[in-house]
Amino acid sequence: AQSVTQLDSQVPVFEEAPVELRCNYSSSVSVYLFWYVQYPNQGLQLLLKYLSGSTLVKGINGFEAEFNKSQTSFHLRKPSVHISDTAEYFCAVSASYNNNDMRFGAGTRLTVKP
Amino acid sequence: NAGVTQTPKFQVLKTGQSMTLQCAQDMNHEYMSWYRQDPGMGLRLIHYSVGAGITDQGEVPNGYNVSRSTTEDFPLRLLSAAPSQTSVYFCASSYGAGGGNEQFFGPGTRLTVL
Repeated sequence: AQSVTQLDSQVPVFEEAPVELRCNYSSSVSVYLFWYVQYPNQGLQLLLKYLSGSTLVKGINGFEAEFNKSQTSFHLRKPSVHISDTAEYFCAVSASYNNNDMRFGAGTRLTVKP
Repeated sequence: NAGVTQTPKFQVLKTGQSMTLQCAQDMNHEYMSWYRQDPGMGLRLIHYSVGAGITDQGEVPNGYNVSRSTTEDFPLRLLSAAPSQTSVYFCASSYGAGGGNEQFFGPGTRLTVL
């Protein structure tokens, strides 16, 4: 089965600063990678996903992530964060053939300070 | 479209009580799933369904039952609640079971078992 490790449980950052949320995965099969965001008291929303092709993936709200197969990483970045980006971010991995075994990381709580 | 809806939003049960968490989607999605979210553990798959009449177990199925009589509805049943089932429960759906399909999440049900 796949597994995901999010290296930081909490990331505090000041508004307009850049941010990187780190994610490493392991799998014995071909995988797809996802970043989801959860705003307070809401369900998860898809930020971006990597299926194939270009290793740099752009998502909503100015976020992007880079797939690095050799380092088995899928780090999420934003060059300038806003207060409204305060949320919990989840990295997830699924086997390329089905969603039935999607595994989520423990989450990273991003707090943007004024 | 309402997307994925869940009821109730909050529920408190006593140990041994039973209840059903409701989930419905209006996107004609084949694939539906139930996750539980616990602090520091991300989301874990409980049960999933690839279509009406077809269900299967996920990573943490013990203590939960599901059925799928229609495409729209996927209820989760707790037959005899235990304190270990205190959690936030999310229902999700996607167009298909393929690993690249985006999952759409409901707003969640926060369950406390005393």
